[in-house]
Amino acid sequence: QVQLVQSGSELKKPGASVKVSCGPSGYTFNSYAINWVRQAPGQGLEWIGWINTNTGNPTYAQAFTGRFVFSLDSSVSTAYLQVASLKAEDTAVYYCGRLSGSWYIDYWGQGTLVTVSS
Amino acid sequence: QSALTQPASVSGSPGQSITISCTGSSSDVGDYYYVSWYQQHPGKAPKLMIYDVTNRPSGVSNRFSGSKSGNTASLTISGLQAEDEADYFCSSYTTSTTLANYVFGTGTKVTVL
Repeated sequence: QVQLVQSGSELKKPGASVKVSCGPSGYTFNSYAINWVRQAPGQGLEWIGWINTNTGNPTYAQAFTGRFVFSLDSSVSTAYLQVASLKAEDTAVYYCGRLSGSWYIDYWGQGTLVTVSS
Repeated sequence: QSALTQPASVSGSPGQSITISCTGSSSDVGDYYYVSWYQQHPGKAPKLMIYDVTNRPSGVSNRFSGSKSGNTASLTISGLQAEDEADYFCSSYTTSTTLANYVFGTGTKVTVL
């Protein structure tokens, strides 16, 4: 069955960086794009963007350009989200998802809590 | 716009029907059939409930249905059950490149009285 397994919770200090992994299984990795979503505590879902798993081309929402970087390691079928220069307001659960061709997320990772605190 | 507009909360008694609206624009909901709905229970990842406006993934109860009129999409839950109490988010493809072609709704908390 299709699963997306994410790395565990992280506690980081302001100014540090974090790298979250997302390891899909149960389907051919480069058949679907991978997307990333942020959810701050008690808040709604924010679309960070997505990455084409065939070309490696990332697309970022404007609010997330600069400090947020998507990458792939196709040899181990894993996608990554790296966030640099962390701020307290980056504290959130970060989800990866499998993005279908008609723009819906049919499978989600379990989420990775990133806490930024001094 | 940065998010589709949903009511903050909707409530109903067990067995009743409720409808959640999701209002966008001609750049997203109005001109495309790429509207989906997600259910999220506390502490859990979102779950796809409806895609392409009206379609239900395998395993989703037929008590959930979707529709669209103009710039507004709707999710209806019929025969409301206690397990339906959750947050619901709509989403849509958008032509906005600043949003990276996808936008979520503001979210609606459903309470079963």
